[in-house]
Amino acid sequence: KQEVTQIPAALSVPEGENLVLNCSFTDSAIYNLQWFRQDPGKGLTSLLLIQSSQREQTSGRLNASLDKSSGRSTLYIAASQPGDSATYLCAVKQIDSWGKLQFGAGTQVVVTP
Amino acid sequence: GAGVSQSPSNKVTEKGKDVELRCDPISGHTALYWYRQSLGQGLEFLIYFQGNSAPDKSGLPSDRFSAERTGGSVSTLTIQRTQQEDSAVYLCASSRTPGQGYYEQYFGPGTRLTVT
Repeated sequence: KQEVTQIPAALSVPEGENLVLNCSFTDSAIYNLQWFRQDPGKGLTSLLLIQSSQREQTSGRLNASLDKSSGRSTLYIAASQPGDSATYLCAVKQIDSWGKLQFGAGTQVVVTP
Repeated sequence: GAGVSQSPSNKVTEKGKDVELRCDPISGHTALYWYRQSLGQGLEFLIYFQGNSAPDKSGLPSDRFSAERTGGSVSTLTIQRTQQEDSAVYLCASSRTPGQGYYEQYFGPGTRLTVT
């Protein structure tokens, strides 16, 4: 059974520092991994999608890496801003599933001015 | 273009009543998913639709939960005889058809259900 873990559960950094968010999964038979952002009381915003054949994806200040064999993904956010404060979730899609995503519990990030 | 929309945004109901939650996916997305987010359980998958068919219903927690999709578009999640443990945020997502290379799922804002 796939288990997705995100550590730490919460993180506070001063503005300008780089953020490093970790996601690990127990079953490497994944089709892809997706990172989301969730603001309080809101839905999920897709940040990056990494296919299992890829090692990393980049979008602006965001960079996500994937090491499928070791069951790890890392989301890097460069030069953090107070607007980056949110909960970040990772989710994996299993190769043998119809399409459902299995989520980690998330990392709550606070960027202080 | 328009994103995934859900209605109502908030629903308060009494224990034992039935509720219907609606999801309008992104136009052209044939895959539709329902998830539930609660404090104790995190984000859980409920059901997956491809077109009007639901090949994966494995996440529905009991037979009080059902869902349908019509015209390959709008979906309704129905909870009968609601219980307090059904209180959660119900999220809908849609994506392009598997096989077109992209499985990126786009989420709606959710419906917050409170059962009193």
